Amino acid sequence: DIVLTQSPGTLSLSPGERVSLSCRASQTISSSHLAWHQQKPGQAPRLVIYGASSRATGIPDRFSGSGSGTDFTLTISRVEPEDFAVYYCQHYGFSPYTFGQGTKLEIK
Amino acid sequence: EVQLVQSGGGLVQPGGSLRLSCVASGITFGTYSMNWVRQAPGKGLEWVSCITSSSIREYAASVKGRFTISRDSAENSLFLQMDNLKDEDTAVYYCARSFGNWGQGTLVTVSS
Repeated sequence: DIVLTQSPGTLSLSPGERVSLSCRASQTISSSHLAWHQQKPGQAPRLVIYGASSRATGIPDRFSGSGSGTDFTLTISRVEPEDFAVYYCQHYGFSPYTFGQGTKLEIK
Repeated sequence: EVQLVQSGGGLVQPGGSLRLSCVASGITFGTYSMNWVRQAPGKGLEWVSCITSSSIREYAASVKGRFTISRDSAENSLFLQMDNLKDEDTAVYYCARSFGNWGQGTLVTVSS
């Protein structure tokens, strides 16, 4: 099974800052099958990025995804108050479709 | 607008059974793979099961042999039959359309 390791576990930052979240896979993943999901407390996850770098419908352009092979990054160019949440990377090329353990963005 | 509306959660004793449902609207249901994903209290996301548009089924090792995924394209519905439930199955269960759209989640609590 592919293990996805996200770092750091928690990030404390102020609105307006730039942030990059890391996701490392235990083996090479096709970029076509790497996603990032956002989850706020008490809510269902929401797709942010698919195919490593494509924004999902309705996602603002301050969100961008990059990477290939085993290393992937989600970048928020200027964090807005509504962006504070937990972010999960996920591979969906073949089962089991594993998730990373999540990175929590919190307000400093 | 895509909507996935879930029902069927609740409290069940260990060894018991429960059936979850997910009704889709705003999509051509039969053309998509559908998934179940769960989240134990205070924990991260765990993929549970998938059913493709041609009804090929896959399961996480933790539920294989106990859970059964199915779909009814005529009713735009997805199901998860959960048998021989264990304490560690306690979680919020989400249905998801190819991970692009998610249901609201339903809580399953396994406890005596």
